[in-house]
Amino acid sequence: GAVVSQHPSWVICKSGTSVKIECRSLDFQATTMFWYRQFPKQSLMLMATSNEGSKATYEQGVEKDKFLINHASLTLSTLTVTSAHPEDSSFYICSARPLGSVGQETQYFGPGTRLLVL
Amino acid sequence: AQKITQTQPGMFVQEKEAVTLDCTYDTSDQSYGLFWYKQPSSGEMIFLIYQGSYDEQNATEGRYSLNFQKARKSANLVISASQLGDSAMYFCAMREGGYNTDKLIFGTGTRLQVFP
Repeated sequence: GAVVSQHPSWVICKSGTSVKIECRSLDFQATTMFWYRQFPKQSLMLMATSNEGSKATYEQGVEKDKFLINHASLTLSTLTVTSAHPEDSSFYICSARPLGSVGQETQYFGPGTRLLVL
Repeated sequence: AQKITQTQPGMFVQEKEAVTLDCTYDTSDQSYGLFWYKQPSSGEMIFLIYQGSYDEQNATEGRYSLNFQKARKSANLVISASQLGDSAMYFCAMREGGYNTDKLIFGTGTRLQVFP
């Protein structure tokens, strides 16, 4: 089956630093990747849609200068949380849509990255 | 208005019994898709089942079935013969528009606890 990995799985950083999270589709190519954020005991909220070779589309209320997304290839998208603050602490999950896919299972999710900003 | 509503924050079920997790949705699109995902404590999102808006039959995947009532805009998940490993958060999600539209809108989730 389609596998999506995320790295790192856990990150603890100091306030003011930047953190980069990688999302990779391991056995398929993905034209589109999605970044979600999930606060404790809450649902997943879509942050942005990342398309290979073009600028990401951010959801309303998500600061594009704070959450930098780069989809450099068909298998890799990165999310950089710039100048992280404690309120950015959350669970970040990516998903990927296989190239040419249609129908039901159009998104495969990564295992998530837990970010704690001290 | 909420696009996806899950009214049960938590549910308990005894092992081997069936359980229904509720989900209602709100959309004016004719073409849409409904999904259920399981999220164990590890955090990964596990796809369980999918129902397309034009599918006339209820979707089934092993012990999972989706009770799709289009007129009532509900897409309840039925888990038969519950197992201890089914304890997790369950999210209902909707994709509006056709197959090329990928944005998923998630409900708030239901925490299912299966006890022996």
